[in-house]
Amino acid sequence: NAGVTQTPKFRVLKTGQSMTLLCAQDMNHEYMYWYRQDPGMGLRLIHYSVGEGTTAKGEVPDGYNVSRLKKQNFLLGLESAAPSQTSVYFCASREAKSSGNTIYFGEGSWLTVV
Amino acid sequence: ELKVEQNPLFLSMQEGKNYTIYCNYSTTSDRLYWYRQDPGKSLESLFVLLSNGAVKQEGRLMASLDTKARLSTLHITAAVHDLSATYFCAVDGIFGNEKLTFGTGTRLTIIP
Repeated sequence: NAGVTQTPKFRVLKTGQSMTLLCAQDMNHEYMYWYRQDPGMGLRLIHYSVGEGTTAKGEVPDGYNVSRLKKQNFLLGLESAAPSQTSVYFCASREAKSSGNTIYFGEGSWLTVV
Repeated sequence: ELKVEQNPLFLSMQEGKNYTIYCNYSTTSDRLYWYRQDPGKSLESLFVLLSNGAVKQEGRLMASLDTKARLSTLHITAAVHDLSATYFCAVDGIFGNEKLTFGTGTRLTIIP
């Protein structure tokens, strides 16, 4: 998982609170992704970005917002946390598809909403 | 919308046996990935398959891709306990659709 750093790694939120997860990569990658992982459901794509200043919705975007103001950072925001957002969140990054095949994942962020 | 299905979802097998995990996907794709995940850990890349008929092997694991059938397989030969993990396939959208969609995973348990 070299090069992709997620912060924080663990967080407990109260319902209605807001927070931001930060994903930082130092590999100059174009593409970045946010996934959530829930038991028995694999990884589901929340939002992704194909370059600085761009974002797009994934499979489960509701309740989340993202920003990619700098190429190396992809932020995932929860404006008003709900218990249904309790999950493990993974960030990933990669080069443009024409340049490479490897996808790098962060270590994960464990979020509990009570 | 691209759908990715894996089966089986759970697999318990004895050491020394062979088995295959299947990954089906619903629309045209130009590459397929296999990952391994240990409990509480991130994802570890196993294979990237780029073309029809591609086959890759690493140790007791071998992955193949049939783009016409939209099917990839992960074959385990003479399983050992260290292979116990959850295995995911993931499928890329075609160029211009950069979503990476994951299957639900196969939880593999190797019994001594």
